[in-house]
Amino acid sequence: GQQLNQSPQSMFIQEGEDVSMNCTSSSIFNTWLWYKQDPGEGPVLLIALYKAGELTSNGRLTAQFGITRKDSFLNISASIPSDVGIYFCAGQQGNTPLVFGKGTRLSVIA
Amino acid sequence: NAGVTQTPKFQVLKTGQSMTLQCAQDMNHEYMSWYRQDPGMGLRLIHYSVGAGITDQGEVPNGYNVSRSTTEDFPLRLLSAAPSQTSVYFCASSGTAQETQYFGPGTRLLVL
Repeated sequence: GQQLNQSPQSMFIQEGEDVSMNCTSSSIFNTWLWYKQDPGEGPVLLIALYKAGELTSNGRLTAQFGITRKDSFLNISASIPSDVGIYFCAGQQGNTPLVFGKGTRLSVIA
Repeated sequence: NAGVTQTPKFQVLKTGQSMTLQCAQDMNHEYMSWYRQDPGMGLRLIHYSVGAGITDQGEVPNGYNVSRSTTEDFPLRLLSAAPSQTSVYFCASSGTAQETQYFGPGTRLLVL
């Protein structure tokens, strides 16, 4: 089946630093999504991308849909302690179910 | 709206026991799905449904059954639990397969 390679697997950063993570795929996707999972809870959608080259922001978060449609990245600027959690990318092609990456675990040191 | 609700929150089973994980949504969503989350493995799709009466297998369906008799409910059944099914299970729903999926809070299952 389709697979997404998400990196890095984990990150430890100082509060105030910027963060960057990405996902790549061998398949083309029509939609890229970024979710965040807080400890003990279900994932929550952060940003949805629907067009190749699209750059979308949500507060301190910015995500881009790669031109090749095989990758996407998420940036978090000026990290704060509540950014801690697991970030998942997900791709979708047409009506097929979402395919999730394995997640990036973010730890923020105050 | 309560959104997506899952019960129970925690469950311990012995190998061979059966149980049903409940999932309900009050958003009139047609699309519902079940995922399992294991350390380092991300979210893997077990089964999904595009509407009442219709279900399909995902990436890891073995050992699990589902049914969709109503729009609101999408229970996941383990007929004979195995230790390999120890995991956190998430249910999700969306209006259609292409719309934003809303996740429930999860059920943590331990099979001894």
